[in-house]
Amino acid sequence: DQQVKQNSPSLSVQEGRISILNCDYTNSMFDYFLWYKKYPAEGPTFLISISSIKDKNEDGRFTVFLNKSAKHLSLHIVPSQPGDSAVYFCAARVSNSGYALNFGKGTSLLVTP
Amino acid sequence: KAGVTQTPRYLIKTRGQQVTLSCSPISGHRSVSWYQQTPGQGLQFLFEYFSETQRNKGNFPGRFSGRQFSNSRSEMNVSTLELGDSALYLCASSWTGAAYEQYFGPGTRLTVT
Repeated sequence: DQQVKQNSPSLSVQEGRISILNCDYTNSMFDYFLWYKKYPAEGPTFLISISSIKDKNEDGRFTVFLNKSAKHLSLHIVPSQPGDSAVYFCAARVSNSGYALNFGKGTSLLVTP
Repeated sequence: KAGVTQTPRYLIKTRGQQVTLSCSPISGHRSVSWYQQTPGQGLQFLFEYFSETQRNKGNFPGRFSGRQFSNSRSEMNVSTLELGDSALYLCASSWTGAAYEQYFGPGTRLTVT
């Protein structure tokens, strides 16, 4: 069963505006959440992570918000740039499971000029 | 530092055959994980190796196996290939101080005919 869900397969945003990518999860044992970006013919690239004990983490244009009560996290990209066009994956780690990550199926972001 | 490398990049095999894929992690990284990516299931965790020991295993049949060598390089093997094994196989490495972020290689595209 899919424990990490990204319900929007695609998203289109204008350059300069905010991109918001959403992710829902079902497993209460997740203790770390990560976002990855993937371009065609390349492996996923780590973007940003957040521990389950926090509710926000920022890194430059990228901010991840975690709402544990709703089992929901989101990635905000501000401002969006055409180079941000890629597939974004949400991933989560079960506590004490080493580096085994559960991935969502991804959201394809298109940033138009 | 050189990134994660995977060989070969592309492979075509026939049903019933076996295949071995190779992964060289980033220098200093001791954890290597393998994932299978398919259009229908997304990215699914296969197994993780740390210091030559399998630390975690995903929900895949025993036809999928792996190992890690003393230099942290890893191989995964799939025996008795099935059509459904056609996928992109991704290797990722991590260092123990990271917040569970993993660095991915470009993947090996396996096609089973």
